Amino acid sequence: DIQMTQSPSSLSASVGDRVTITCRASQYIDKYLHWYQQKPGKAPKFLIYATSTLQSGVPSRFSGSGSGTDFTLTISGLQLEDFATYYCQQSYSSPYTFGQGTKLDIK
Amino acid sequence: EVQLVESGGGLVQPGGSLRLSCVASGFTFSDYWMHWVRQVPGKDLVWVSRINTDGRRFNYADAVKGRFTISRDNAKNTLYLQMNSLSVEDTAVYYCVRDAASGSTVVFQHWGQGSLVTVSA
Repeated sequence: DIQMTQSPSSLSASVGDRVTITCRASQYIDKYLHWYQQKPGKAPKFLIYATSTLQSGVPSRFSGSGSGTDFTLTISGLQLEDFATYYCQQSYSSPYTFGQGTKLDIK
Repeated sequence: EVQLVESGGGLVQPGGSLRLSCVASGFTFSDYWMHWVRQVPGKDLVWVSRINTDGRRFNYADAVKGRFTISRDNAKNTLYLQMNSLSVEDTAVYYCVRDAASGSTVVFQHWGQGSLVTVSA
């Protein structure tokens, strides 16, 4: 199985900050890396697919990059509604695994 | 608007069975692969199973293989997950998820609200 490791596990930031979350795959996954946002008590929300393509309606302050095994999610100019837990997920091979999540909270 | 509404969760004893249902609307159900993803509250997301558009092809995570069965009824726009031989480790919120495209991209574009399954004596 491909292991997905996110860092940091938690992160405190302020409104307006720029934050970066890293996701590392235990083996090569090409560009097949996707990002989700989850708020407490809610289902995850799909944000970015294929490393860097934003889902329709996702604000442009979100961006993704990387390839191979190392990927990043960057949020430029944090807004209050961005404080949530973020998960990466690979679709390169079954089983389709997620990272353990990065909890972003208000400093 | 895409909607996925799960039902069938609840409390079951170890060794018991439960069937989850997910009624889909707002899109042509028969055009999309569908998935089940589960999450122990406050913990990681785990992909459980997927099924193709006509219901003839499916995959499972090792943890549920041989115990869970995914199926669909395209006439009823409904996805199912039959869960047998349940153990406490199966306790989780189960999400019904629609794939992002008509092929199987395994990109989880639309999620239901989740159905809580609790396995406890």
